[in-house]
Amino acid sequence: DVKVTQSSRYLVKRTGEKVFLECVQDMDHENMFWYRQDPGLGLRLIYFSYDVKMKEKGDIPEGYSVSREKKERFSLILESASTNQTSMYLCASSPAFQGGSYEQYFGPGTRLTVT
Amino acid sequence: EDQVTQSPEALRLQEGESSSLNCSYTVSGLRGLFWYRQDPGKGPEFLFTLYSAGEEKEKERLKATLTKKESFLHITAPKPEDSATYLCAVQAISGGSYIPTFGRGTSLIVHP
Repeated sequence: DVKVTQSSRYLVKRTGEKVFLECVQDMDHENMFWYRQDPGLGLRLIYFSYDVKMKEKGDIPEGYSVSREKKERFSLILESASTNQTSMYLCASSPAFQGGSYEQYFGPGTRLTVT
Repeated sequence: EDQVTQSPEALRLQEGESSSLNCSYTVSGLRGLFWYRQDPGKGPEFLFTLYSAGEEKEKERLKATLTKKESFLHITAPKPEDSATYLCAVQAISGGSYIPTFGRGTSLIVHP
């Protein structure tokens, strides 16, 4: 079974703090993704990585950065947390898309509250 | 621009009352259409992938079908444990990007 784990299920941070969300997958997948999910807005892609040290901006990258130093680990960084970043954050992984169409496997999510 | 629209936004059914969820899409060159189930407070869980018009896949009470413009998720004789949000996503060959586009989901509640 593919397993995607996220470092925290619930997190409460203060405005201005630097926040690290970590994601680990155990299936040797090339692709990893960070989404945020808000009521009425659905899943929105923040960043995508298709290989170690490679990253691409998604639809809403402002205020976020990412790091992928190892294939299995993809970190999302909120440089200076703000209240509008309160959300559910979901990590996902999938095999490389080139040559096929592959489903994504999601982690359990991190509910981040910024006060 | 690739678009995915799911309807209805919310659906309430009585246990045993069959129905269908719709996912309509406009993409250039469909590579795959995915269905996911998401329980409250959890990450989406993969259900099906469909690749070409006419394809069908089944899992327990769920059956997914695909045409050139839309996909249906048919739920036969649903049970309360089928209550969840169902998400549809499409992967297309457009502009060289293979990143899936998600719909906003259909929230299904099945009453006992």
